[in-house]
Amino acid sequence: EIVLTQSPGTLSLSPGERATLSCRASQSVSGSYLAWYQQKPGQAPRLLIYAASSRATGIPDRFSGSGSGTDFTLTISRLEPEDFAVYYCQQYGSSPRTFGQGTKVEIK
Amino acid sequence: QVQLVQSGAEVKKPGASVKVSCKASGYTFISYGISWVRQAPGQGLEWMGWISAYNGNTNYVQKLQGRVTMTTDTSTSTAYMELRSLRSDDTAVYYCAIDRVLDAFDIWGQGTMVTVSS
Repeated sequence: EIVLTQSPGTLSLSPGERATLSCRASQSVSGSYLAWYQQKPGQAPRLLIYAASSRATGIPDRFSGSGSGTDFTLTISRLEPEDFAVYYCQQYGSSPRTFGQGTKVEIK
Repeated sequence: QVQLVQSGAEVKKPGASVKVSCKASGYTFISYGISWVRQAPGQGLEWMGWISAYNGNTNYVQKLQGRVTMTTDTSTSTAYMELRSLRSDDTAVYYCAIDRVLDAFDIWGQGTMVTVSS
């Protein structure tokens, strides 16, 4: 099983600032099958990024993903008020499909 | 539009079973599979397993083997997840999601809260 470790656990930033979230895998993620999701309280997760760097439909270009192998990054270039939420990475290249434990982006 | 609509909240006693439904619309149901993901209160996301809507093949996470069964009814485009021998740590929101295999989950159900309490 691939274990995904996200850091930091919490990121305290102000609107307009840049957010950099990390996801490290215990072994190489095949095919860069790595996704990022955003979740707000009481809502289902929303897909932001798939295949490590491709934006899902309707996702603003301030969200970008990068990385390969075992190290992946989600960057939010300028935080908008609606971006404060919890973010999860997920690998879907091997079974079981595993999620990281999440990074909470909170308003400073 | 493509959507998944899940059944309503459930309250169960320890040792009981629960069956959550997930009705699909807006696409050809047998074209894709369905994954189930759960989230305990204040916790992260846990993938539970997957079922092919085409042939019923399943793949369950090891920790739930023997307690979980995923099925589909192609006549109603509905997927089901049954969890047996419920424990308090099964209290969670249960989500279904379209799983195209080697693709991320872009469509999710709204979630079903299952509470296990005596």
